[in-house]
Amino acid sequence: QQQVRQSPQSLTVWEGETAILNCSYEDSTFNYFPWYQQFPGEGPALLISISSVSDKKEDGRFTIFFNKREKKLSLHITDSQPGDSATYFCAASPNNAGAKLTFGGGTRLTVRP
Amino acid sequence: DPKIIQKPKYLVAVTGSEKILICEQYLGHNAMYWYRQSAKKPLEFMFSYSYQKLMDNQTASSRFQPQSSKKNHLDLQITALKPDDSATYFCASSQSPGTQNTEVFFGKGTRLTVV
Repeated sequence: QQQVRQSPQSLTVWEGETAILNCSYEDSTFNYFPWYQQFPGEGPALLISISSVSDKKEDGRFTIFFNKREKKLSLHITDSQPGDSATYFCAASPNNAGAKLTFGGGTRLTVRP
Repeated sequence: DPKIIQKPKYLVAVTGSEKILICEQYLGHNAMYWYRQSAKKPLEFMFSYSYQKLMDNQTASSRFQPQSSKKNHLDLQITALKPDDSATYFCASSQSPGTQNTEVFFGKGTRLTVV
């Protein structure tokens, strides 16, 4: 059973549009949720993260919305740029598990100019 | 400059052979990890080490053995290789394990193909 699920698997938007990437989880002990960006041939790089005490986290064009009751998150990328084309992973970890992360399957984002 | 160095970048191995994946980190971190990414599964946690001691092992097979000769090294030895072991293996590190919201940094990975 996959603990962290992402949708859609792939997403295409036009430059300047807002891309919305969804994530849901099963385990109630998860309370830290980082999002990673991965380009082909590279390792995942931390983009933005949120803890379960917050319902929103913003960093420039990237915003996480978190709904603890529904166990759902979403990553909004506003004013999408072609350079944002990458695979985005939602991850989760419980407070007492250090950095042991459980990853979703990823969303491949393509931003068309 | 890459702060987490993984060697080699690509590796082709014959079924049944043994290989060692190298990882060194220069971030001054105390915890190191191995993750695996394959076409069939999402990024999967394999091992965590803290101060050169095994903290967590989520790999069922004993064919996978981490080796930590120095604080900033965590190599991965894989024996009796199988085609199903084909994947990209990522080394990662973080400042302090067990700390809330610990940020994890990943290397560029070693892409292993078993033929």
